Amino acid sequence: DTAVSQTPKYLVTQMGNDKSIKCEQNLGHDTMYWYKQDSKKFLKIMFSYNNKELIINETVPNRFSPKSPDKAHLNLHINSLELGDSAVYFCASSQVRGSGEQFFGPGTRLTVL
Amino acid sequence: GESVGLHLPTLSVQEGDNSIINCAYSNSASDYFIWYKQESGKGPQFIIDIRSNMDKRQGQRVTVLLNKTVKHLSLQIAATQPGDSAVYFCAEQNTDKLIFGTGTRLQVFP
Repeated sequence: DTAVSQTPKYLVTQMGNDKSIKCEQNLGHDTMYWYKQDSKKFLKIMFSYNNKELIINETVPNRFSPKSPDKAHLNLHINSLELGDSAVYFCASSQVRGSGEQFFGPGTRLTVL
Repeated sequence: GESVGLHLPTLSVQEGDNSIINCAYSNSASDYFIWYKQESGKGPQFIIDIRSNMDKRQGQRVTVLLNKTVKHLSLQIAATQPGDSAVYFCAEQNTDKLIFGTGTRLQVFP
């Protein structure tokens, strides 16, 4: 009965590879988010989708491409991985857009070697 | 948001004491603030929020105070317990997104 789930939990890969992280929420929420948390615990919004429509697209390299096949899923694809992409990536959802109460997944720790 | 440093600011308290975690914000137009708790290895978890038309809001064992004059908010945790050990983030709403502060680590000692 996990509310927001992400797969995989850990991802170790070589520079230059392409990888995807998947996220699903079973809360019936309209809005989903991707955040990046660096080694200093700084948490920054990357993207947000509301009812499958992109509403937030922060200054993120275009190697990062989110995809929302339906309201319950938001995936993150990363091309040509770089060392600086190493971080923990969190998916989150909220009932409506702009809500301060967001429900976060457990995170995906990405390590680029 | 909170000041940025090489290490997270850390607050160490004894079990049973009250904890006060502070946060400064810079945008005087911000009108909605939220506190999150992040335990080790987990995602952030919503604790409590406050709008700018209030200066205090209470939850279960937690109180958030907002001082708009000096652009400061604080999270007070009463009777701190070992389970309160975590990193605490304040966040402010900016249109559809949340801007998170840098976090404060709360360590609870027996």
